[in-house]
Amino acid sequence: GESVGLHLPTLSVQEGDNSIINCAYSNSASDYFIWYKQESGKGPQFIIDIRSNMDKRQGQRVTVLLNKTVKHLSLQIAATQPGDSAVYFCAENIGGSEKLVFGKGMKLTVNP
Amino acid sequence: EPEVTQTPSHQVTQMGQEVILRCVPISNHLYFYWYRQILGQKVEFLVSFYNNEISEKSEIFDDQFSVERPDGSNFTLKIRSTKLEDSAMYFCASTRGLKEQYFGPGTRLTVT
Repeated sequence: GESVGLHLPTLSVQEGDNSIINCAYSNSASDYFIWYKQESGKGPQFIIDIRSNMDKRQGQRVTVLLNKTVKHLSLQIAATQPGDSAVYFCAENIGGSEKLVFGKGMKLTVNP
Repeated sequence: EPEVTQTPSHQVTQMGQEVILRCVPISNHLYFYWYRQILGQKVEFLVSFYNNEISEKSEIFDDQFSVERPDGSNFTLKIRSTKLEDSAMYFCASTRGLKEQYFGPGTRLTVT
């Protein structure tokens, strides 16, 4: 859902479960997407990226899915661990532009 | 593993004062960025810098802001006359040009 001000959408999962974090991006011209993880008091940490000519990309324990038809991006985390607890942001980039445009973030809490 | 570093970690200043936030990007990176994150909000692009000049800036980056690469390693953001609404986390990022931007830990700026 939407977040306003200090209220981030939150996902709580049990350790060992799979997590899915969703993101709706805004610009149909965006051709590059990144997922970042942000732990409290730290900067965004790169997780995985995907270009618009792909619809799926896998990393270590993470998978990003891209659905350009509905402008939707998801991050799947397998076997979620307590260390995965953080705020997750998707970001988009339009070719020819320097900037990343960040989404509003989702807080993932992993319960042991 | 190379990292983007930022100093100071926390800067407190009075309204109207000038502040300089410092960053050391990853050494072989060519593109440098500043972003900010107001508490609880999403990360917002401020400016990108390449080949010793600004390559792109947002509407936030007005005449009160400037960036500089004074030597081969540092990248600075100056705010000439700080306002209360400048209070935020300021993140420096860098990339070789492959779009994967690496972020520093941030400087928390508090304007009183």
